[in-house]
Formats: sequence, C-alpha cells, structure tokens
Amino acid sequence: GQQLNQSPQSMFIQEGEDVSMNCTSSSIFNTWLWYKQDPGEGPVLLIALYKAGELTSNGRLTAQFGITRKDSFLNISASIPSDVGIYFCAGQYEKLTFGTGTRLTIIP
Amino acid sequence: GAVVSQHPSRVICKSGTSVKIECRSLDFQATTMFWYRQFPKQSLMLMATSNEGSKATYEQGVEKDKFLINHASLTLSTLTVTSAHPEDSSFYICSARDQGGTDYEQYFGPGTRLTVT
Repeated sequence: GQQLNQSPQSMFIQEGEDVSMNCTSSSIFNTWLWYKQDPGEGPVLLIALYKAGELTSNGRLTAQFGITRKDSFLNISASIPSDVGIYFCAGQYEKLTFGTGTRLTIIP
Repeated sequence: GAVVSQHPSRVICKSGTSVKIECRSLDFQATTMFWYRQFPKQSLMLMATSNEGSKATYEQGVEKDKFLINHASLTLSTLTVTSAHPEDSSFYICSARDQGGTDYEQYFGPGTRLTVT
C-alpha cells in the first residue's frame, strides 16, 4: 500500500531543543493529521489540519498543511522527556494513509 | 473523550490455529471501523474497512478469507486471523469513526500483539 515519505527517520536531541519533521506525498489529501505512538500502544492524535496553508498549534506543537496539499510539517518546541516516541503523519482522502514515521529520542 | 478498546492485548497461538481480536467503541457508536497491521519498526498499513451490517472492504493484497471481519453492531468489530502462520505475527490496531463526528476523526485502540509460534 501507499505510504507517505516522512523525514527524518530518526532524531536524537537533547531536552529543551526544538524538533522539526516533515511529510511529503505524490498525492493530494483533504486532511493532514499528526499522531504520536508510544511503544506497544495505538497512535494518539496530536493535530489535525483541514485547509491548504493552514497553520495550527497545540501547546508546544505547531503543524502546517502545505499549499500544494501534498506536504505537511510538525514542529515541537522545547522538547521534554515525554515527547519521546514515534511520530506519524497521515493524509486523509476517503481513508488514512500513514507516513513512515519519525522516531524521537532524547539524549540525557 | 472517545475510547476504543481491544481484546486481547496480547495473544500467542500455534501455527494453524485461528485467533479472534475484538475492537469496541466504548462511549460512541461507530458505523465504520478500520483494521491496521503494523510490523516492527514500520508504519501502520490499512488492512480493511469494516462497515456495520455490511461486508468489509479489503485493501489490495489482504486475503479476505484469511482475515475475517465482522461488524455486527455499532460498537463491536472483530478480526479473525484464520490458520495463522508465523508471518502473521504483528501488531493489529483497530480504529473507529464516530458516527456523529467529523469524517476525518478516527479513534485508535491500544493494539493487539499477535505472536504465532
């Protein structure tokens, strides 16, 4: 099945640093979503984007829906230990297509 | 908030046997539920879309006779892995779309880890 290209694949950062990850697709989507998945758990929705160009924040998280409707980015500011996990983008056009994931690790 | 449960959380079965996984929406009605499979260090891949009272729609490459889906009520969908083999070992995650919610919103269950020996 189709997957969205997500980068970077993994990130190793120190607590307090800002994080940026993005997702690109060859297809257009109506909605972009960002999820976080902890080990052995299902994904949890972080942010949903509905319109091209939309910029949305949720606490320390900021995400944007690309103008072309084929990409999106997620920024996390001032990372904390509980931000550790795998982040997935997902595009929606009738059904959800997930990105390849970005594994975030915080170095003590 | 909307909660989706899965049972069991972990299951180990012998090759050739069948395993049933339940997905329940606890505080909302879901006309549509989705089943995903996630292999280690990989993304979620949609297996099938389950609609209450009708046959499931399977994604390309997913064997409908091997992965039986039943969505008999607005709060319950089941996935049965028939004649399981070691290559079926994976993390199975369901999600449910709130009947009264927006089109995009899917609530995910905690997943079921299936190990076939």
